[in-house]
Amino acid sequence: KQEVTQIPAALSVPEGENLVLNCSFTDSAIYNLQWFRQDPGKGLTSLLLIQSSQREQTSGRLNASLDKSSGRSTLYIAASQPGDSATYLCAVTDQAGTALIFGKGTTLSVSS
Amino acid sequence: KAGVTQTPRYLIKTRGQQVTLSCSPISGHRSVSWYQQTPGQGLQFLFEYFSETQRNKGNFPGRFSGRQFSNSRSEMNVSTLELGDSALYLCASSLDGPNTGELFFGEGSRLTVL
Repeated sequence: KQEVTQIPAALSVPEGENLVLNCSFTDSAIYNLQWFRQDPGKGLTSLLLIQSSQREQTSGRLNASLDKSSGRSTLYIAASQPGDSATYLCAVTDQAGTALIFGKGTTLSVSS
Repeated sequence: KAGVTQTPRYLIKTRGQQVTLSCSPISGHRSVSWYQQTPGQGLQFLFEYFSETQRNKGNFPGRFSGRQFSNSRSEMNVSTLELGDSALYLCASSLDGPNTGELFFGEGSRLTVL
């Protein structure tokens, strides 16, 4: 059974710092991995999608990498800003490819 | 381009009642998924529909059901509500399913069961 773990559960950093969020999964048979952001009381906003054949994706200050063989992904946020404060969720597809399995998320707080 | 629309956004029910939630996917998307989010369990998969067919169902009791219409809009129903059903219910749409592309989520329907 696929399990997704995100470490750390919470992170506080000063503005301007570069940071890395970690995601690990137990079954490497995934179709893709997706990173989301969730603001309090809101829905999920898609940040990056990495297909299983890809190693990384970049969007602005965000870079996500995928190492399927080791069951790991990292989300790198450059030059963090207070507006980056949110919960970041990692999700992988299940074996059927019709559902996402989510980690519990990392809650990020960026202070000015 | 309009995003995923969920209605109602907030609702309060009492135990034993039933509730129907609605989701309108992004235009052109044929796959609609539903997820339940609670503080204790996080995000859990409920079911996924593609072209009016349920392709996958999560580990939830039969009180949870759903359907998809020919225009890809979807509804989910929870009967005989329990206190533990209080949660944020999120709908997501994608072109052909989670295995082929990005999922886009709505703002959710927050259900409180008293």
